[in-house]
Amino acid sequence: QSALTQPASVSGSPGQSITISCNGTSSDVGSYDLVSWYQQYPGKAPKLKIYGVTKRPSGVSSRFTGARSGNTASLTISGLQPEDEAHYYCCSHGDGGSSYVFGSGTKLTVL
Amino acid sequence: QVQLQESGPGLIKPSETLSLTCTVSGASVSDDYWSWIRQTRGKGLEWIGHIYFSGRTNYNPSLESRVTILLDTSRNQFSLRMTSVTAADTAVYYCARGEDGYSHWGQGTLVTVSS
Repeated sequence: QSALTQPASVSGSPGQSITISCNGTSSDVGSYDLVSWYQQYPGKAPKLKIYGVTKRPSGVSSRFTGARSGNTASLTISGLQPEDEAHYYCCSHGDGGSSYVFGSGTKLTVL
Repeated sequence: QVQLQESGPGLIKPSETLSLTCTVSGASVSDDYWSWIRQTRGKGLEWIGHIYFSGRTNYNPSLESRVTILLDTSRNQFSLRMTSVTAADTAVYYCARGEDGYSHWGQGTLVTVSS
């Protein structure tokens, strides 16, 4: 199955809000509540920021919010901070519930 | 504190078999899902497969014919075996825990396929 589609890059100024989209299909994002988001710094392992479409793990800032509309999931980061500059990846259950697929990744630049 | 650590050779030749082990501390592999995920420069993150504590496995359809994931509860480890590797399998390989979100990740290990 193909990777979920994300914008290659987004940018924002400190204090602003940005939204990263994750476009899938009715066979993945649109069908399962197993959508998650990850933040990755260069040379580091990804870190879970959102799971179950909208849930935040303990310790993750409330500035990170997940949502879904139809076959598109989204991650909104409010009150941008310099340390938010990283790559972000979405992930969804798919392929009839037997596998997972990641998004293509988005580079967030904090101006 | 849950920690995962990948181990295995960093360089293998084309057509050989890639074998990696993930050692888990702070949690039991007899609980939850345990996954392998890889990251290439050109293709981003790619889910390889996972194993449930019952031993049930699921694999990425594009890799299924070459991949096996096994659980070793006595050593609290799980492993990845990938046969007939090519240069396209050069990547950083991560082990991770979870199903609805990968809550814990290893640091990753770079595997290069080259003669």
